[in-house]
Amino acid sequence: QKEVEQDPGPLSVPEGAIVSLNCTYSNSAFQYFMWYRQYSRKGPELLMYTYSSGNKEDGRFTAQVDKSSKYISLFIRDSQPSDSATYLCAMSSDGNKLVFGAGTILRVKS
Amino acid sequence: GAVVSQHPSWVICKSGTSVKIECRSLDFQATTMFWYRQFPKQSLMLMATSNEGSKATYEQGVEKDKFLINHASLTLSTLTVTSAHPEDSSFYICSARRTGGFYEQYFGPGTRLTVT
Repeated sequence: QKEVEQDPGPLSVPEGAIVSLNCTYSNSAFQYFMWYRQYSRKGPELLMYTYSSGNKEDGRFTAQVDKSSKYISLFIRDSQPSDSATYLCAMSSDGNKLVFGAGTILRVKS
Repeated sequence: GAVVSQHPSWVICKSGTSVKIECRSLDFQATTMFWYRQFPKQSLMLMATSNEGSKATYEQGVEKDKFLINHASLTLSTLTVTSAHPEDSSFYICSARRTGGFYEQYFGPGTRLTVT
């Protein structure tokens, strides 16, 4: 079993839809959680980061962490074609080594 | 802010030669930098962690004599792939953590290495 599980998709939604991306994990020591967006042949771009459980909102993005369920989510409101990319969840127990999910491919259709 | 650059963005080299990749934090100081490797359609795998002025810490299975890492300043880390072979062909990405910051890592654009 992988430490971090993430559905690879692809997830296809119409423009303007609310997108829900999720990851589950098995290591209860994880306490730092991040979401990255990666376009093809580019480095990952940090979108959101949270520590421990709770919600965090930044513009169209909301990150949620439920440590009791070992489940994290990223919501994207009013999705745009430019949001089409691969979304990676990443987590760490010590703030150093990041363990990444496999990434979910998102396609937003105009 | 929090921009990380890498150079070169892509490189082709012959088997047996060495290649150096630079990672720079452009607008912040980074005590800690990380080197990752990504194969096509796969996620990132941490290779090593480097702290400024110290020896790098390598992940299990990563040959430290093959992947030489130097972090001589707070804005520059280098990865040298020595005696490269075709199986070393991959996408190498660095990240940096801001000195005095929290834990978030900012990634560079990556370097695509092809060994022929």
